[in-house]
Amino acid sequence: AQKITQTQPGMFVQEKEAVTLDCTYDTSDPSYGLFWYKQPSSGEMIFLIYQGSYDQQNATEGRYSLNFQKARKSANLVISASQLGDSAMYFCAMREGLTGANNLFFGTGTRLTVIP
Amino acid sequence: GAVVSQHPSRVICKSGTSVKIECRSLDFQATTMFWYRQFPKKSLMLMATSNEGSKATYEQGVEKDKFLINHASLTLSTLTVTSAHPEDSSFYICSARDVGLAGGLIDEQFFGPGTRLTVL
Repeated sequence: AQKITQTQPGMFVQEKEAVTLDCTYDTSDPSYGLFWYKQPSSGEMIFLIYQGSYDQQNATEGRYSLNFQKARKSANLVISASQLGDSAMYFCAMREGLTGANNLFFGTGTRLTVIP
Repeated sequence: GAVVSQHPSRVICKSGTSVKIECRSLDFQATTMFWYRQFPKKSLMLMATSNEGSKATYEQGVEKDKFLINHASLTLSTLTVTSAHPEDSSFYICSARDVGLAGGLIDEQFFGPGTRLTVL
């Protein structure tokens, strides 16, 4: 079974609007971390936001927030006030366990296009 | 802090040659480094986990004799694609585990900028 599922291959959003990128995960480990990365055309993976499985509150980082619904095993990324520079691929990822010793499992990504 | 570099950023080689890709943690010591491969418009797939001073752990389906990984120091891991063929053309990304706080998160992984390999 896929550990990370991103069902939206592509999304469009109007500049200055908010957009939600979906991510669901599957794990039996009670301890895990969820990540979102942005990958522009240059290829680098840019860390956006992190949510630990035991975190009580949804993570926020500037215009990024993570809508963490543990019972539904979803970790959607919300980008507020979209900017043209937000156009990129976005990957949701999960690490089982709470240390960096374990690798990340990535979803298939969502290509976000911000329309002026 | 928490900067990871990769060299080269782009390489084109002839079929049958070997290519070495370096992954360096510039401002922290990385006991563990991970090597990922990404095909065009696809996700990142873990190839192997590299621990300093020991043999790498390869994922199922990854040929260890073809993708040689050496993690000789706490700041450097290398991936050598031996006898490269066109099907090895891909984007290779490393990440390094920082057990400190250099990046603001405790015990996190940080990605290099990637190496695009094209085998003719």
